[in-house]
Amino acid sequence: DAKTTQPNSMESNEEEPVHLPCNHSTISGTDYIHWYRQLPSQGPEYVIHGLTSNVNNRMASLAIAEDRKSSTLILHRATLRDAAVYYCILKTSYDKVIFGPGTSLSVIP
Amino acid sequence: EAQVTQNPRYLITVTGKKLTVTCSQNMNHEYMSWYRQDPGLGLRQIYYSMNVEVTDKGDVPEGYKVSRKEKRNFPLILESPSPNQTSLYFCASSSQGHTEAFFGQGTRLTVV
Repeated sequence: DAKTTQPNSMESNEEEPVHLPCNHSTISGTDYIHWYRQLPSQGPEYVIHGLTSNVNNRMASLAIAEDRKSSTLILHRATLRDAAVYYCILKTSYDKVIFGPGTSLSVIP
Repeated sequence: EAQVTQNPRYLITVTGKKLTVTCSQNMNHEYMSWYRQDPGLGLRQIYYSMNVEVTDKGDVPEGYKVSRKEKRNFPLILESPSPNQTSLYFCASSSQGHTEAFFGQGTRLTVV
């Protein structure tokens, strides 16, 4: 099963862009790249997902490398509410999922 | 409002006493999953279901059972709970396997 690797933690200043990296070198052609975030005492919350092309939504942007072996979640202007654990996962068409430990993002006022 | 509802939110039980954690979604989603979350280990998938009467094992299925008799419900059954099943449990649903997943608020289970 394909796995992802992320830095354990990152810091950002408030109102600056944040680039959260993820490596998934064993990704298969049918795996979708998903990002979720989890605030303390809450369930994970969907952020964005993509297959091959870069994606944008109201929360973030997802940049996918051409070989699909890595991706980057971009938060355009970090706020204090963005402080959370961010998970990069690969989701198959039959929903088997492997979560890594994620990246704990701290936002400094 | 679209949501995944788990019950109970908190449960303390004794070793060996069968229990069921319920999960219900109101979005007519095909796919549902159960995860457990433990400190230092992140989220691990227990079981997933692709449709009614179709279930499969995730990474840590030992000690758990599931059933999917109706599309909206996906209960997690612990026939004989043990202390190593003390954990935070999440249910999730999605319309298809690769689409956005919606998570419940979690069930914190303590087995003594």
